[in-house]
Amino acid sequence: GENVEQHPSTLSVQEGDSAVIKCTYSDSASNYFPWYKQELGKGPQLIIDIRSNVGEKKDQRIAVTLNKTAKHFSLHITETQPEDSAVYFCAASQEGSQGNLIFGKGTKLSVKP
Amino acid sequence: DTAVSQTPKYLVTQMGNDKSIKCEQNLGHDTMYWYKQDSKKFLKIMFSYNNKELIINETVPNRFSPKSPDKAHLNLHINSLELGDSAVYFCASSPRGVTEAFFGQGTRLTVV
Repeated sequence: GENVEQHPSTLSVQEGDSAVIKCTYSDSASNYFPWYKQELGKGPQLIIDIRSNVGEKKDQRIAVTLNKTAKHFSLHITETQPEDSAVYFCAASQEGSQGNLIFGKGTKLSVKP
Repeated sequence: DTAVSQTPKYLVTQMGNDKSIKCEQNLGHDTMYWYKQDSKKFLKIMFSYNNKELIINETVPNRFSPKSPDKAHLNLHINSLELGDSAVYFCASSPRGVTEAFFGQGTRLTVV
């Protein structure tokens, strides 16, 4: 089955700096890679996703890159703000099948003002 | 107008009790899930239902039984609660054939 590894487990940056979180996956059949943000006391919220037919996707300060050959994908947050502080999860799945999301173990991001 | 709603948000109960958590989604999605998040924040799938039919049943004790009365609802019933069941349980839903999941706010279960 699919296995998703996520690094680092904690990340502390100064406001305005960039943050990068990296994930690797094991199942070459996986073709859908979402990123979730979980704030304290709330459920995970989808912030961006990428499908295997593209290598990069950007949405304002957030971007995700995918390297299918190496089986890794990354989340990039630029110009970080204190409200970006949260736990971020990557996940992988086979879209269109009856599969489910396999999550990484999460990265706690702290943005210091 | 909450998309995925769970009740209750907090649940404190004694070992050995039976409890239920309810979930409803108003997104018109065909697939609903239950995830468990442990104390280390690890999110793991428990069950997946597609149009009221059980699709995935991961290695979960049979004390946990999901019930889907219709495709908008997926409830989780837990028998003979144990200390190790303490966790946050999340309900989620996704459109047919798409695994983009929308999560509820979670139910923090504490077994004492």
